[in-house]
Amino acid sequence: EDKVVQSPLSLVVHEGDTVTLNCSYEVTNFRSLLWYKQEKKAPTFLFMLTSSGIEKKSGRLSSILDKKELFSILNITATQTGDSAVYLCAGTDMDSNYQLIWGAGTKLIIKP
Amino acid sequence: DSGVTQTPKHLITATGQRVTLRCSPRSGDLSVYWYQQSLDQGLQFLIQYYNGEERAKGNILERFSAQQFPDLHSELNLSSLELGDSALYFCASSPSGSYGYTFGSGTRLTVV
Repeated sequence: EDKVVQSPLSLVVHEGDTVTLNCSYEVTNFRSLLWYKQEKKAPTFLFMLTSSGIEKKSGRLSSILDKKELFSILNITATQTGDSAVYLCAGTDMDSNYQLIWGAGTKLIIKP
Repeated sequence: DSGVTQTPKHLITATGQRVTLRCSPRSGDLSVYWYQQSLDQGLQFLIQYYNGEERAKGNILERFSAQQFPDLHSELNLSSLELGDSALYFCASSPSGSYGYTFGSGTRLTVV
């Protein structure tokens, strides 16, 4: 059965720290991996990664995929309290009509 | 506003009752997905519709059903409600052939 596992489940850091969130996957006929940020309500899209070794970057957030070792990381540098959220990753396969296989999320708390 | 509209935002109902959650997808999106998110749980895929037809089913209980209408809005019907059905129910939509999910703000269902 396909699965996506995120670690850690929760993380508390101080403002200004750098954090790395992990996402490993076992997805048959893997196509891509997506990262979402969920604050109070709806998840919002961050990145989609399809190629190994190519970093996607948006401001202080960046992500990279390793298709050989079957994982992805999401880095956040110079964290701010507004980065506090649950970060979700999801895998996709070639066959599944654009469904996502979701991890349970990492709850990130940034203390001032 | 993400463009995906879910109503109602909150719903409190008693065990054994039936409720209907409504979702209007983003303009032009043909796919609608329903997800359940219980407290501190990841997103659980329930069901997907594409242009009015059921495309895929996830862990959807037999007490739950959904449909997508010709105008592409979708409804999720939950019946014989139990306390464990209390959760946030998200609808997401995406264009044809895309993983670019846009989530609605969710309906928080509380069964008492």
